[in-house]
Amino acid sequence: GAGVSQSPSNKVTEKGKDVELRCDPISGHTALYWYRQSLGQGLEFLIYFQGNSAPDKSGLPSDRFSAERTGGSVSTLTIQRTQQEDSAVYLCASSFWSPASGVTDTQYFGPGTRLTVL
Amino acid sequence: AQSVTQPDIHITVSEGASLELRCNYSYGATPYLFWYVQSPGQGLQLLLKYFSGDTLVQGIKGFEAEFKRSQSSFNLRKPSVHWSDAAEYFCAVRSNFGNEKLTFGTGTRLTIIP
Repeated sequence: GAGVSQSPSNKVTEKGKDVELRCDPISGHTALYWYRQSLGQGLEFLIYFQGNSAPDKSGLPSDRFSAERTGGSVSTLTIQRTQQEDSAVYLCASSFWSPASGVTDTQYFGPGTRLTVL
Repeated sequence: AQSVTQPDIHITVSEGASLELRCNYSYGATPYLFWYVQSPGQGLQLLLKYFSGDTLVQGIKGFEAEFKRSQSSFNLRKPSVHWSDAAEYFCAVRSNFGNEKLTFGTGTRLTIIP
C-alpha cells in the first residue's frame, strides 16, 4: 500500500520567508510525528499528533515553528521567518494507534523534505 | 529522560564479513527498541523492533538484534553483509506508554569494501 508521502521533496528559500511542508500519512494511521534531521543535531523530535490534537509539542525549537493537522489526515509544518539554522531534512512519520491498548505501533517514515535557507 | 548511544560513528567491513552495530540505551523501564536504516537521500526504513517477548528479534534483509536488559543494549547483527547494506543505521528508543516520541542515536555509517 501507499506509504507516507511528503511534499515538496526539496525547498530552497530565502532567509526571512515563510515555508510550508506537507505530510500525507498512511491511511488509517491516527498518530503523526514530525522530526528534523540536521548535521549538527542528528534526528530530533518536533511534534506529535493524535488525530487533530497535538499532545506533545515539546520539540518545536521556537515560536516560528507551528504545525496543524486537519481531518485526522494531512499535516502541515509551517516555519515563519526562516533562518539559516532551519536548514535540515524534515521527516514525517505515522503510526497506528490501538484504542484497546492505548499505545501506538511502529512509526513509518516518509522520504523527507530537504529545506535549504539561503 | 531516555537516551541512546551508538558508540561507533563509522564502521567499514568487507563484503561477506559479519557485522555488529552497537546500541546502548538509557531508560527507567523496559522500552520499545528499534533499528532503522537510511540510504543516501532516502527516508528511514524500519529493520526490526523489540516490544516484548523473545529477546532475539529477526528483521528484514537478514538482520537480527538481541535485547540484553542487564547491559541496556540492543545490538544489531548480520552474519554476512552485502554491498547494498552500505547505509546509515539508527537505533531508537521510545516509551511503552505515554510519550510516543522516538529518541534516536547519532547513527552509525556503514561502508562495505569489496
